[in-house]
Amino acid sequence: EVQLLESGGGLVQPGGSLKLSCAASGFTFSCCAVSWVRQAPGKGLEWVSTINNNGGTTYYTDSVKGRFTISRDNSENTVSLQMNSLRVEDTATYYCAKGAGFRLADWYFDFWGRGTLVTVSS
Amino acid sequence: QSVLTQPPSVSGAPGQRVTISCTGSNSNIGADYDVHWYQHPPGTAPKVLVYGNTNRPSGVPDRFSGSKSGTSASLAITGLQAEDESDYYCQSYDSRLRGWVFGGGTKLTVL
Repeated sequence: EVQLLESGGGLVQPGGSLKLSCAASGFTFSCCAVSWVRQAPGKGLEWVSTINNNGGTTYYTDSVKGRFTISRDNSENTVSLQMNSLRVEDTATYYCAKGAGFRLADWYFDFWGRGTLVTVSS
Repeated sequence: QSVLTQPPSVSGAPGQRVTISCTGSNSNIGADYDVHWYQHPPGTAPKVLVYGNTNRPSGVPDRFSGSKSGTSASLAITGLQAEDESDYYCQSYDSRLRGWVFGGGTKLTVL
């Protein structure tokens, strides 16, 4: 059974930092891209970042470029999201999602975790 | 404003058929990128219902079906059941934004 378990969320002040982790199990972790998708309170889903299967290529939505860094450890089956210079508008539940599909542009998210809540507030 | 436009809400009685539209542009759906659909009950993990425009993962009932034409896509749900009440999202890729994009979400109410 594929499982993704996020951790690391919490309350942080604007300008602060937080590191999220996603522990994966139930599949060959090195096969697949992994992404972070967030949902602000009362809003829809928003793609945040993706890392390819070997960690060599990363992608970010414009609003987090230069502030967030995604990484993975295929020996530990984990993906991390280092979030710096946090803003109030980064407040959201952050989901880890396993990627599927052949062509990059046709990737989708076939398994998701339950999410971890990040609150940015003074 | 989401790049992909969905109606905020749809509703139907048990047993009825509803459709949820997803309208994009020539930089996403119209660029021949696949559309995928997710069900997201509040407080739980999202679940993929349809991938690659029309394909259902194993375990997803055939009451759920996807279609795509031009710059739009649709999710149809037949034989509505109370358990279908949830939020639904479409997703694709946008070449102008160079990233994956979601619709704003549609809340399905089963009357």
